[in-house]
Amino acid sequence: DQQVKQNSPSLSVQEGRISILNCDYTNSMFDYFLWYKKYPAEGPTFLISISSIKDKNEDGRFTVFLNKSAKHLSLHIVPSQPGDSAVYFCAADSGGGADGLTFGKGTHLIIQP
Amino acid sequence: DTGVSQDPRHKITKRGQNVTFRCDPISEHNRLYWYRQTLGQGPEFLTYFQNEAQLEKSRLLSDRFSAERPKGSFSTLEIQRTEQGDSAMYLCASSLLGPNTEAFFGQGTRLTVV
Repeated sequence: DQQVKQNSPSLSVQEGRISILNCDYTNSMFDYFLWYKKYPAEGPTFLISISSIKDKNEDGRFTVFLNKSAKHLSLHIVPSQPGDSAVYFCAADSGGGADGLTFGKGTHLIIQP
Repeated sequence: DTGVSQDPRHKITKRGQNVTFRCDPISEHNRLYWYRQTLGQGPEFLTYFQNEAQLEKSRLLSDRFSAERPKGSFSTLEIQRTEQGDSAMYLCASSLLGPNTEAFFGQGTRLTVV
C-alpha cells in the first residue's frame, strides 16, 4: 500500500516556465515532508522541506505547498532550467526520524529548451 | 568532501556469495539510515541507527541482512547468500538528531547479483 503517491511518472515543461510536481499521502501521522532530486547513478539530493504546521516554504526558485486537509503537497519550480531535469521524489516522515522516510515512486521532470 | 560516502559504488557478485557495503556518514550526524531502491521505485527504508544503537529495522530486512555501526561512526551492511532479488541500489543517509531534520544521502552502491 503506497502511503506516498506521485501519480505522474513524468512531466515535460518548457525552459523558463513553471514546473509543478504533485504528491499525495494517506498517512495522517506524517508531519514532515521533503523533496529530493535525483540524477542517474547518484543518490538523492535534498531540495526543500516543510513541516505540517506550515502551508508554504520557499527557497529561491523552489516553493513547496502543503494542503493538510487534502493530504496533498506540491513543488513549484520557477523558472524551470535545463539543469532541473531529473527525477523528483516526495518523502514523508512520521516518527521524528526514527522510522526513516517514506518515499513516492518519483516524477521524471524533463525541461525542454 | 564532507558528504556521505559509500563504498564500493558498484558490486557484481554471484548468487550465494556474501557482500558487504560501507557507509561513512557526515561526521557530526548521530543518525544513520540504510535504504534500498529498485528500478521505478523510490528508496525503501531498511534500518536506522542512532549513534551505535540499531533502533529500527524494516520487515524488508530479512535475516540474510545485517547492519552494524560499531563505534557510532561508519556503518556496514552485509548481505549473506545473495539472491538475484537483492539486486538494487543500496543507499545510506545520515542526519542530525531531532525532529524535522533532513537526511543527506550518499551516492549509493549498485549491487548486481548474477
